[in-house]
Amino acid sequence: DTEVTQTPKHLVMGMTNKKSLKCEQHMGHRAMYWYKQKAKKPPELMFVYSYEKLSINESVPSRFSPECPNSSLLNLHLHALQPEDSALYLCASSPRGTSGRVYNEQFFGPGTRLTVL
Amino acid sequence: AQSVTQPDIHITVSEGASLELRCNYSYGATPYLFWYVQSPGQGLQLLLKYFSGDTLVQGIKGFEAEFKRSQSSFNLRKPSVHWSDAAEYFCAVGAVYSGGGADGLTFGKGTHLIIQP
Repeated sequence: DTEVTQTPKHLVMGMTNKKSLKCEQHMGHRAMYWYKQKAKKPPELMFVYSYEKLSINESVPSRFSPECPNSSLLNLHLHALQPEDSALYLCASSPRGTSGRVYNEQFFGPGTRLTVL
Repeated sequence: AQSVTQPDIHITVSEGASLELRCNYSYGATPYLFWYVQSPGQGLQLLLKYFSGDTLVQGIKGFEAEFKRSQSSFNLRKPSVHWSDAAEYFCAVGAVYSGGGADGLTFGKGTHLIIQP
């Protein structure tokens, strides 16, 4: 398996809902990432997990809560979102963990298109 | 902090013509540079990367890029474009965080490539 999968493809939720996005890879990668991409904008980094530990949180509001239950799975829990949170949420993975100055290339999933009403 | 500039928001090229997409970066050390392509509503696909060594790198789909340190540039080229190359192209630089981790990507704003028949 040489890809990153994301579910669901599309999600519509109200501002009071709780939902989760799921990302999975079976390539043995040790770092996983969440990015947010607004329409006609570049992706912006949200979170980085390295060896299943949160290593980077780019000042993301607490209504976004990441979780890495194991090395293959990354979740993003959503609660009390705002309409401006509507975006494409991209997951990525890379082969090595992020310790040290050895760079990893990142492989992206197809994204979840989130609409908050 | 690192940054990436893609000066062309849109580029229109005739099918069969050559292509060059510009990318300039700002980074204090040797950069890790990437080009990604994104079709509408899709995730990002890695075209090529530069970490070190040969400054002319070959990628997938017939693309190549040349790293020029003196110009802080990493321009993407293709000798003959196909209609299927129409997409959004992002240049990105790998980030190094003060906590010791080397990861996350900083993207340029993207160049939208239009192919004329």
